[in-house]
Amino acid sequence: GQNIDQPTEMTATEGAIVQINCTYQTSGFNGLFWYQQHAGEAPTFLSYNVLDGLEEKGRFSSFLSRSKGYSYLLLKELQMKDSASYLCAVRKTDSWGKLQFGAGTQVVVTP
Amino acid sequence: DSGVTQTPKHLITATGQRVTLRCSPRSGDLSVYWYQQSLDQGLQFLIQYYNGEERAKGNILERFSAQQFPDLHSELNLSSLELGDSALYFCASKPGLGNEKLFFGSGTQLSVL
Repeated sequence: GQNIDQPTEMTATEGAIVQINCTYQTSGFNGLFWYQQHAGEAPTFLSYNVLDGLEEKGRFSSFLSRSKGYSYLLLKELQMKDSASYLCAVRKTDSWGKLQFGAGTQVVVTP
Repeated sequence: DSGVTQTPKHLITATGQRVTLRCSPRSGDLSVYWYQQSLDQGLQFLIQYYNGEERAKGNILERFSAQQFPDLHSELNLSSLELGDSALYFCASKPGLGNEKLFFGSGTQLSVL
């Protein structure tokens, strides 16, 4: 099996930066995904890392260290609409492409 | 809009009943995945189909079953429903079995009373 750990909740101010950490333990690692989910809505894709390093996409960046089993999602210039749950998900090799999700980190952006 | 369609959006039923949730994947996607999300819990993988065949099973109860039809739409059948089955059920699709990202439908909110 695999364990995926991320903080339950984080609070930050509009315009600030927040970093959401995710640690995982798995064999046969084959990629890490970040999804955003607003309450009661579908998760939407944010980023994908399979190699070590930083992937930047606008206000969102994601980092991966495979040797440490660690990833983070960095949200810059926070906006009120960024208040949502952020899900870390791991894909294993020979898993037919399915994703194993963490419990999610609820980010609350305050004015 | 992800292109994945799920019906119905909301379903209210009683314990002991049976329901069917329907999913139409994005055009051209052969892989369909079903996930369950209970209150305060993460997305739990239930089952996956690829081009009509079951490929992977997760924590799916024996009371639950699914299938994927020749037109690639999928149905999740939940029977002998219990209060604890109340959850948001998501369907997701992607083109194949590789590293493509999953596209999620808007979910079916099931309430068992």
